[in-house]
Amino acid sequence: ATQMTQSPSSLSASVGDTVTITCRASQGIRTDLGWYQQKPGEAPKFLIYGASNLQSGVPSRFSGSGSGTDFTLTISGLQPEDFATYYCLQDYSYPRTFGQGTKVEV
Amino acid sequence: EVQLAESGGTVVQPGGSLRLSCAASGFTFSTYWMTWIRQAPGKGLEWVANIRKDGSVTKYVDSVEGRFTISRDNAQNSLYLQMNGLRAEDTAVYYCARDSNSFDPKGYYYDTFDIWGQGTMVTVSS
Repeated sequence: ATQMTQSPSSLSASVGDTVTITCRASQGIRTDLGWYQQKPGEAPKFLIYGASNLQSGVPSRFSGSGSGTDFTLTISGLQPEDFATYYCLQDYSYPRTFGQGTKVEV
Repeated sequence: EVQLAESGGTVVQPGGSLRLSCAASGFTFSTYWMTWIRQAPGKGLEWVANIRKDGSVTKYVDSVEGRFTISRDNAQNSLYLQMNGLRAEDTAVYYCARDSNSFDPKGYYYDTFDIWGQGTMVTVSS
């Protein structure tokens, strides 16, 4: 199985900050990577697909980049509603695998 | 409104069985792959299984292979997860999710979980 390693596992930030989360795959996965946001007590929400394509309705302060094994999620100008846990997910091979999550907190 | 609603979660003893259901509404269920994803208390997300539109193809994570069976009834707009031989480590919130194809500007498509249910809790404990 392709292992997905996210870093950091948590980070502290303030409203207006720019934060970057990284995700590394144990093998090349082209750009077959998505990002999901989860708030406490809620189901995850789909943000980005194909490493860099924003899902419709997702604010443009979210952006993604990378290919192969190294990927990043950047939130430019953090808003109060962005404090959450973020997961990467590879859809290159089975079984699909998530990163362990990055909690963005105040 | 596009919706998924899971049900069937409860407390079950180790070694026991349970069947989860996911009712779909607001979209043409038979045209989508569907997926089960779980989340143990305080832990991250784990992809469990998925099933092709017509039910002819299924995939599983190794830890549930041979114990869990994913199935669907397109006439009833329903997805199922039959769980046998349950273990303590299967304790989790189980989500069903719609497995969509999202296209990039070059026309490549990617599997994406664009609609999620609210989840149903399964607790395996004596």
